[in-house]
Amino acid sequence: QVQLQESGPGLVKPSGTLSLTCAVSGVSISNSDWFSWVRQAPAKGLEWIGEIWHTGSTNYNPSLKSRVTISIDKSKNQFSLELKSVTAADTAVYYCVKNGWYSLDFWGRGTLATAS
Amino acid sequence: ESVLTQSPDTLSLSSGDRATLSCRASQIFNDNFFAWYQQKPGQAPRLLIYDTSRRAAGIPDRFSGGASETDFTLTISRLEPEDSAVYYCQQYGGSPLYTFGQGTKLEIK
Repeated sequence: QVQLQESGPGLVKPSGTLSLTCAVSGVSISNSDWFSWVRQAPAKGLEWIGEIWHTGSTNYNPSLKSRVTISIDKSKNQFSLELKSVTAADTAVYYCVKNGWYSLDFWGRGTLATAS
Repeated sequence: ESVLTQSPDTLSLSSGDRATLSCRASQIFNDNFFAWYQQKPGQAPRLLIYDTSRRAAGIPDRFSGGASETDFTLTISRLEPEDSAVYYCQQYGGSPLYTFGQGTKLEIK
């Protein structure tokens, strides 16, 4: 059973860096799967942030690309998100996701990160 | 950037009714790279449909997906109270790779 669990500070100072980690269980992150980060601002829709392949190859949303880094730690079966220079507009629930067939298959429960 | 426009914004129906949710894409990258998600309050989205019409694991056959040119549809037959949720469409292939519609809120009276 695939499970994903986000963790990280819930509060980030404006202009600081938001750092989150996603622990994956039930599947090896070294398999041929992409893993993504998606966020949802309060009472808003879904925004895809980016994805990472087990080789470390990444794709990012162009609107966030200059501020985002997604990395992978195969030894811990986890992947991480860093978002620099945060503002109030980055306040959102952040989800880590295992990609499926051109879709987003398994989602973590999400973690609220507030820039304040 | 491809824009996905969902309609209606809100849909209010009764248990046992049939719901049809629509999603229009401004650009099509591949007819089948289309998905639908259900999100209930306080929960993560759940994948319902992928590849335009294929049900994800554990999704009842009351949920079905279809397409006609640039219009994609999610149909829920025989609505049940637990179907109350926000539904999002999603397309793969543009820039950004994954784009979402703004959501349709389905209320069961």
